[in-house]
Amino acid sequence: KQEVTQIPAALSVPEGENLVLNCSFTDSAIYNLQWFRQDPGKGLTSLLLIQSSQREQTSGRLNASLDKSSGRSTLYIAASQPGDSATYLCAVRRGNNRLAFGKGNQVVVIP
Amino acid sequence: NAGVMQNPRHLVRRRGQEARLRCSPMKGHSHVYWYRQLPEEGLKFMVYLQKENIIDESGMPKERFSAEFPKEGPSILRIQQVVRGDSAAYFCASSPLPGAVDEQYFGPGTRLTVT
Repeated sequence: KQEVTQIPAALSVPEGENLVLNCSFTDSAIYNLQWFRQDPGKGLTSLLLIQSSQREQTSGRLNASLDKSSGRSTLYIAASQPGDSATYLCAVRRGNNRLAFGKGNQVVVIP
Repeated sequence: NAGVMQNPRHLVRRRGQEARLRCSPMKGHSHVYWYRQLPEEGLKFMVYLQKENIIDESGMPKERFSAEFPKEGPSILRIQQVVRGDSAAYFCASSPLPGAVDEQYFGPGTRLTVT
């Protein structure tokens, strides 16, 4: 059974600091890994998808790395802004097509 | 291209009633997934469907829950005789033909409250 863990569960940072969010998974036989953003009471917005053959993906201020052998992914958000306040979810996909989610990193960026 | 649509967005049911949640996938997507998010919990997989086929329902509770994705119309998640523990956010996702690189796109969710 795939277990996905996200650390820290919650964090607060002052505006302008870089954010580092960690995700670990127990089974390295994954097809891909997705990072999502969820705002309170809202749905999920896909941020980045990393294929198992890739090491990282970048989109604007966001960069996600993947180390499949060690079962880890890290999401970096550069120069954080108050609008980045949200919960960030990591999800891995295996051959059965289902996504296994972590519980999320709840982020507050303080103006 | 409209995203994944879910309705209703909010649903209130009394214990013992039935809840029907609808999901229309993105245009061109033939695969639908349902996930449930309980309070203070992560999203959990429930069921994976293609048109007229249930591919994987291993995450569905054995009783009271059923899902379908007919040839025409939206996918339906049906919960019979709801109980307070069914209160949660139910999310639907869709994807095109699955492959190693495919991405699942999520709808806004239906928030079910059982009173």
